[in-house]
Amino acid sequence: AQSVSQHNHHVILSEAASLELGCNYSYGGTVNLFWYVQYPGQHLQLLLKYFSGDPLVKGIKGFEAEFIKSKFSFKLRKPSVQWSDTAEYFCAVKANDYKLSFGAGTTVTVRA
Amino acid sequence: GAVVSQHPSRVICKSGTSVKIECRSLDFQATTMFWYRQFPKKSLMLMATSNEGSKATYEQGVEKDKFLINHASLTLSTLTVTSAHPEDSSFYICSARDRENTGELFFGEGSRLTVL
Repeated sequence: AQSVSQHNHHVILSEAASLELGCNYSYGGTVNLFWYVQYPGQHLQLLLKYFSGDPLVKGIKGFEAEFIKSKFSFKLRKPSVQWSDTAEYFCAVKANDYKLSFGAGTTVTVRA
Repeated sequence: GAVVSQHPSRVICKSGTSVKIECRSLDFQATTMFWYRQFPKKSLMLMATSNEGSKATYEQGVEKDKFLINHASLTLSTLTVTSAHPEDSSFYICSARDRENTGELFFGEGSRLTVL
């Protein structure tokens, strides 16, 4: 079974700092990769996804992610965070079926 | 994006009673819906895959008789927690895959179940 590991449980940043969240997965075959965000009191929303092609993908709200196949890694980045980026971030991996496996999530707190 | 709605958003029930949670895709048809359980500070745990017109597929360790899933139409799946106990208290989230889409899931707002 595939597993998804997020390295940081809680990240605290100041506004304008850069954010980087790590995600590693264990599945060896072809995967689709996702980052979801859950703002306080809201639904899970898709930030970005990687299916194929350019390993550097851009998402909404200034987020981007880099897929490094050799390291089974899908790292999320944002160059300059805002207070409104305070949320829970989940990495997810989809293998051959349509089931998504989620990481444990990273709580990001941005201080004004 | 597509909209998935859950109802109720919060429910409190007594131990031993049953609770039904609905998941609706509002502007698309979903042949497949997924039910997740989210524990505090934990990831989402897939409970089952709900397929329209057929039996749900449950993940290992999830009791089929306790968590009844029905996917009667292309826009509605229901999760019934039968004979609920306090340990069933959790946040239940559904998601749906637009059959025109290649993999993105759209999530409901979640339903907070508290069993007294």
